[in-house]
Amino acid sequence: GAGVSQTPSNKVTEKGKYVELRCDPISGHTALYWYRQSLGQGPEFLIYFQGTGAADDSGLPNDRFFAVRPEGSVSTLKIQRTERGDSAVYLCASSLTTQSGETQYFGPGTRLLVL
Amino acid sequence: GQQLNQSPQSMFIQEGEDVSMNCTSSSIFNTWLWYKQDPGEGPVLLIALYKAGELTSNGRLTAQFGITRKDSFLNISASIPSDVGIYFCAGLITQGGSEKLVFGKGMKLTVNP
Repeated sequence: GAGVSQTPSNKVTEKGKYVELRCDPISGHTALYWYRQSLGQGPEFLIYFQGTGAADDSGLPNDRFFAVRPEGSVSTLKIQRTERGDSAVYLCASSLTTQSGETQYFGPGTRLLVL
Repeated sequence: GQQLNQSPQSMFIQEGEDVSMNCTSSSIFNTWLWYKQDPGEGPVLLIALYKAGELTSNGRLTAQFGITRKDSFLNISASIPSDVGIYFCAGLITQGGSEKLVFGKGMKLTVNP
């Protein structure tokens, strides 16, 4: 079956612009996660959704970052007034349930470059 | 926040050799995981460990969950060219209705045919 998909695969924007990154989780997966991966680093947690609600947004770096999942499936990560330091790969993952230890399946990521 | 210390940062080996990598933490984790990431892709789960002291194999991969719950290692035996990639350890945090992974910085593996 289809895995986690993310669009766009690459995004180049100018400093100060607004961007939206989309994640389509695996069908039927109730849990969705966003991570950010800087060059040469491991992924860092941003936000976790259980259904439509953000159960944990403690990883969002500041209030320029916001994510939604209005129907409990597709999620959009929104970044306002982008800064050069926001350049990174943004990874989305989903898992079947909230049962502890359920495997998180990752998408290929969106590579964001802020000029 | 919690951090995982992964070592070595990179390895360059000959095809057929074994390779080991490990991960340590100042905090206890109840679940340790090992992922592999290829260029342009997201991480893919290799092995998950759920019990302290557990030793788990998946083909040529063997991983152990340290008895203190603060460390784990991954061993790859008889390496092949397709083992090339970046390997990450991760600890699972579940608390207060949240669930998230904390990753190490990764180990870049190069296999010379």
